Amino acid sequence: DGGITQSPKYLFRKEGQNVTLSCEQNLNHDAMYWYRQDPGQGLRLIYYSQIVNDFQKGDIAEGYSVSREKKESFPLTVTSAQKNPTAFYLCASSIRSSRLLGGNTEAFFGQGTRLTVV
Amino acid sequence: DQQVKQNSPSLSVQEGRISILNCDYTNSMFDYFLWYKKYPAEGPTFLISISSIKDKNEDGRFTVFLNKSAKHLSLHIVPSQPGDSAVYFCAAIIRGGKLIFGQGTELSVKP
Repeated sequence: DGGITQSPKYLFRKEGQNVTLSCEQNLNHDAMYWYRQDPGQGLRLIYYSQIVNDFQKGDIAEGYSVSREKKESFPLTVTSAQKNPTAFYLCASSIRSSRLLGGNTEAFFGQGTRLTVV
Repeated sequence: DQQVKQNSPSLSVQEGRISILNCDYTNSMFDYFLWYKKYPAEGPTFLISISSIKDKNEDGRFTVFLNKSAKHLSLHIVPSQPGDSAVYFCAAIIRGGKLIFGQGTELSVKP
């Protein structure tokens, strides 16, 4: 079955440590995205990638880094520079939007990773 | 700058009636719009989408309407069921660019 997988579901880290969240998809999607959700708030875009070896900052990229060495994988590193890292992190993938016009599309989400920094 | 806005944080509807969730956007370059449903501590689930070249798309109980001149889209759920209770997000894609979400509207369908 095709899908998008985030791991782990729960993650605990000490303050000051970097931590990497995994996101893998086998949907052959070009585009991948990382979002953060805080209580009572919407989904805020951290980084996105439209193609392998290329990625762009979203609205709240500070303190985060990503890589896109393979089409299937888009790991997110939460660095010690991120001032408030405790949150629910969501990864998504979609067909590259330049191919979408006139057809149906959707973006698939993983189940999320809840990161708690103590 | 919030490019996709859902101005109603919550909505309460009686079972069997229509639920209407609204979404406004500011960027005329968006070429696709999507609606998602989300339960706590889970990833959003895709519901329905609409291309900017259409003004209506229907899938079962869910219909999305797009008014490009007003930069407004809405999701209609008819009839509403208690299982529809969740947070609903609208989202928009700029061709070759970002997938941007609104803040969400929490729908509560009461039996």
